[in-house]
This record gives sequence, structure tokens and C-alpha cells, in this order.
Amino acid sequence: KNEVEQSPQNLTAQEGEFITINCSYSVGISALHWLQQHPGGGIVSLFMLSSGKKKHGRLIATINIQEKHSSLHITASHPRDSAVYICAVYQGAQKLVFGQGTRLTINP
Amino acid sequence: EPEVTQTPSHQVTQMGQEVILRCVPISNHLYFYWYRQILGQKVEFLVSFYNNEISEKSEIFDDQFSVERPDGSNFTLKIRSTKLEDSAMYFCASTRLAGGDTQYFGPGTRLTVL
Repeated sequence: KNEVEQSPQNLTAQEGEFITINCSYSVGISALHWLQQHPGGGIVSLFMLSSGKKKHGRLIATINIQEKHSSLHITASHPRDSAVYICAVYQGAQKLVFGQGTRLTINP
Repeated sequence: EPEVTQTPSHQVTQMGQEVILRCVPISNHLYFYWYRQILGQKVEFLVSFYNNEISEKSEIFDDQFSVERPDGSNFTLKIRSTKLEDSAMYFCASTRLAGGDTQYFGPGTRLTVL
């Protein structure tokens, strides 16, 4: 069983829709990263959280430590949001364990 | 904005050859990492490095792999004798602090072993 599970694996939506991507983990963590991987392969950090909720523009990330669950929301989605979104958890101080990613496609 | 850089962007090598992948982390960062992503698969942790020592490594990081910070700016990953299954995208990352700091990733080096 993967230590970090994301759902859905693939998501296609229309421009303007509200998007939710979920991440569940089975190990103790110190923090959780949400990352965006562009079609060219580059990886960008969107959020790092250890509790509560963070917001940046149209992106919102939440984490529930007791339930070992995090969500990434995108409001008013746009075709430029199309990418792979990856959840990764810190096990210990320095090791990141990655989910398999959610491929998001936003159609105009 | 400071960024992590990696060279080369694409490396093609023959099986059994040695390769060195290079990274220049962000200048005031202290912790450095290598990850790999085999095509179509998830990103996997290889190794973390701090204070000129390996802090943690995965089971993937066997004797064929080594890391080095040969000067004040470069951080390298060496694969001693490449195998076909080493073909992957290799990402370098750095953080200023440990304990769950934001990781900044380089653009990756695509390694193809023939």
C-alpha cells in the first residue's frame, strides 16, 4: 500500500469549475507539500502546511492531522491550471514521500 | 528570484558508463536533495545532504550512487555504472532549513541510458 494516496488520479473539468484534489497518508508526518508539475516536467512548490489552512490566490490547501488528510482546492479554474498536482509528506526532517499525482485538465 | 539550476538538461549515455549530474542550489540554502522520477511513475526520494554528509538515503541509493559538494556552489550526483533502469528524470532540490521547510526544485536532468 502506498504511504501517500491521492484521488482522483485524473480529473477533467470545464473552465470556471471548483476543483478539489484529495491526499491521504498513512504515516506520521511533520509537514505536507502540495506541488505542481508542469508538462515540461518542472516541479514548483505551491504550499507547505503542518496544520490548518493556507490560501494563495485561487488556491486553497487544508490539512487535518488527526484524519491524516489534506485537500487542495482551486476556485474559478482556468486552462492554465492544467498540470499534475502532487502531494508529498515529510517523514522525519528531510525525507519527502510523494503521492502518484493527480493529472488535472481544464477545458475552455 | 533565486532558483535551483541543473545541468545538463538531457544526458544520453551507454549502459555501464559513469554519469555526473550537476546542481547549483540556492545560495543561502543548507540542505540538498536528489530525487528521481521514472517516466510515468511518481517522484522518489534518493538522498538528502547537509554539512558535507549524507543525512538520509533511500534503498534506491545503493553503492552505484554517490553525492558530493565539491565547492561552495555545486552539488553533484554520480552514477558509477549506469543501468537501463537508471533512465529517469533526476531532480535536485534545496531548503534553507530542515524540519519541513519549503523545497525548491531544479528543472531536472533527463537521463537516458541506452
